This record gives sequence, C-alpha cells and structure tokens, in this order.
Amino acid sequence: EVQMVESGGGLVQSGGSLRLSCAVSGFTVSDNYISWVRQAPGKGLEWVSVIYDGGSTYFADSVKGRFTLSRDNSKNTLYLQMNSVKAEDTAVYYCARTTAMGNVFDYWGQGTLVTVSS
Amino acid sequence: DIQMTQSPSSLSASVGDRITITCRASHSIGTFLNWYQHKPGKAPKLLIYAASHLQSGVPSRFSGSGSGTDFTLTITSLQPEDFTTYYCQQSYSIPPAWTFGQGTKVEI
Repeated sequence: EVQMVESGGGLVQSGGSLRLSCAVSGFTVSDNYISWVRQAPGKGLEWVSVIYDGGSTYFADSVKGRFTLSRDNSKNTLYLQMNSVKAEDTAVYYCARTTAMGNVFDYWGQGTLVTVSS
Repeated sequence: DIQMTQSPSSLSASVGDRITITCRASHSIGTFLNWYQHKPGKAPKLLIYAASHLQSGVPSRFSGSGSGTDFTLTITSLQPEDFTTYYCQQSYSIPPAWTFGQGTKVEI
C-alpha cells in the first residue's frame, strides 16, 4: 500500500526557513517523480515543485530561487527546503507521486500546514 | 504559463442529478488534462487522467472528455459523498509549469 506522510510544517517568521519532509512507503522515492502542491487558505491548488527520478528539479516561478528539493534514499524520504519564506507561502503543502507518463498526481499525502507570520 | 479556467466556480445540485464541469486551457494541451476531487482536510484524489481515463477504483459515474483546449468532467447520479470541490490540472508543460483550474465547488 502506498503511503505518503508530510511533516515539518509549523509557524515560521517571514524571511525564515523551514524544511518539510515527505516520508514514503509502498514505492521507492528515487525511482519516481514526486511533486509538492500547496493550497493557500481559501484558495485553489498550486503546483510548487517536482523532482525527477534522475534528480532534476523544477520549481514554480513563485518559489524559484527560494525553495530546494532533496532526497534521502536510505529513508525513502523527500525534503522541501523553504528559505526566505513570505506570507504568501502560507498554505497546506502536499507531496504527490507524479507519473512519468503524463505527469499525473496519482498518490497524495494528507498535507502539512505552513504558516508564515509577518 | 498555460492558464486553466474552470466553470462554473460553484454549482448547486441534488442527489441523483447529472452535472458537468468545464475546463478551458489557454493553449492547446492535447489530452494532458487531469481531474481531482478534494474534500476539506483530506488529500486530493485523482479521478480522471489523460482527459478521459478513469483512475482505478473511481466509480463509473465519473467521466471525462475533451481535447485541445476544452474539457469536461461529468458526474451522473450525484451521491452525497460527491458534494465537494473539483479541480482540473494541465500536465502538458515541459519543463514543468503545471497549473490547476481555480476549482468548482459542488454544493447541495
């Protein structure tokens, strides 16, 4: 059974940093594409970033240069490092497995809430 | 970026109704269009991928159609658990710049 569990959310001051984790079971992180998608309060879903199986990473313009992605293969866990956070980064962050054929988000975690205070 | 526009933003329906949600892309995306259901406090759920393919385990009352710029999600015989929010998403952009529609809330 596939499980994706996000953690690391919380309250952070504007300009600060936070690292989110996505612990995966049921498939191998390094063999798959995995994305982060967020939902700001009262807003819709927004794609944030993806890491390919080969390690290439891509980011939405809204977070480019501030967020990075990494993997710990021994823990089968993906990390989203959030630096220089802004109030508009306040959201529930979901990790989602992304199919290589079609770029479809087929499995999702329950999300972790990040609140940026000014 | 490719912009996705859903309509309506919300709709009222009753159990047993048939509803249709429309999604329009600002550029042609072939059939790189997916639909998700999202209940508050829950993980989003994939319903339809590649415009018309039903994800495993999703009830057959859900269906999708379209190609190019215009797509639809149809739910026949609405069930109580279907009253929630639905999003379309284009997965065409390479390098990735995938975008969602703004969502359609289906209310009783």
